[in-house]
Amino acid sequence: GEDVEQSLFLSVREGDSSVINCTYTDSSSTYLYWYKQEPGAGLQLLTYIFSNMDMKQDQRLTVLLNKKDKHLSLRIADTQTGDSAIYFCAETLVGGKLIFGQGTELSVKP
Amino acid sequence: DAGVTQSPTHLIKTRGQHVTLRCSPISGHKSVSWYQQVLGQGPQFIFQYYEKEERGRGNFPDRFSARQFPNYSSELNVNALLLGDSALYLCASSPRDRDTEAFFGQGTRLTVV
Repeated sequence: GEDVEQSLFLSVREGDSSVINCTYTDSSSTYLYWYKQEPGAGLQLLTYIFSNMDMKQDQRLTVLLNKKDKHLSLRIADTQTGDSAIYFCAETLVGGKLIFGQGTELSVKP
Repeated sequence: DAGVTQSPTHLIKTRGQHVTLRCSPISGHKSVSWYQQVLGQGPQFIFQYYEKEERGRGNFPDRFSARQFPNYSSELNVNALLLGDSALYLCASSPRDRDTEAFFGQGTRLTVV
């Protein structure tokens, strides 16, 4: 079935690294995404990784993809209070439909 | 460059009424998708349109319908509103119909009373 799973909460100290994990279901997914949602706002595309890649780095963000285990992770280096938000991973099914996880609420404490 | 724009930003409707939500994609993007996000959950896929044709439909009742216009903007219509339709409705814009990035608008917050 279609089910993307994420842990619901993560709390870190400012300056630490945050790692948000996700497992997805469809091995044929072509794009895998990470979105950020702040309270009352829409979804901001943070980064994405194509399925033929293992890793993608973009400034403070590092995405790791393990296709064998269908596991995706997002590492945020030097986490700041402004990074506090809900983070969603999403996979692409045939036809462009996105399946989202429930979201991980990241809380960054000063 | 303008991003994805949605209107209105907030809306309050009464049960049984009808609502129309609007979305303008990023210039040059031909695909528009609609998602419903209930409080505390991830977005759920409703429709995808590409080049004015429906390319996908999620598990939503026939009260939900949509269309895409020649300029690639889109409308989502919901008839006979129920309290459970209260949600954030998000529009996503993509350059292609598949294997592509998806950029979201700020959403329309619909409250049904």
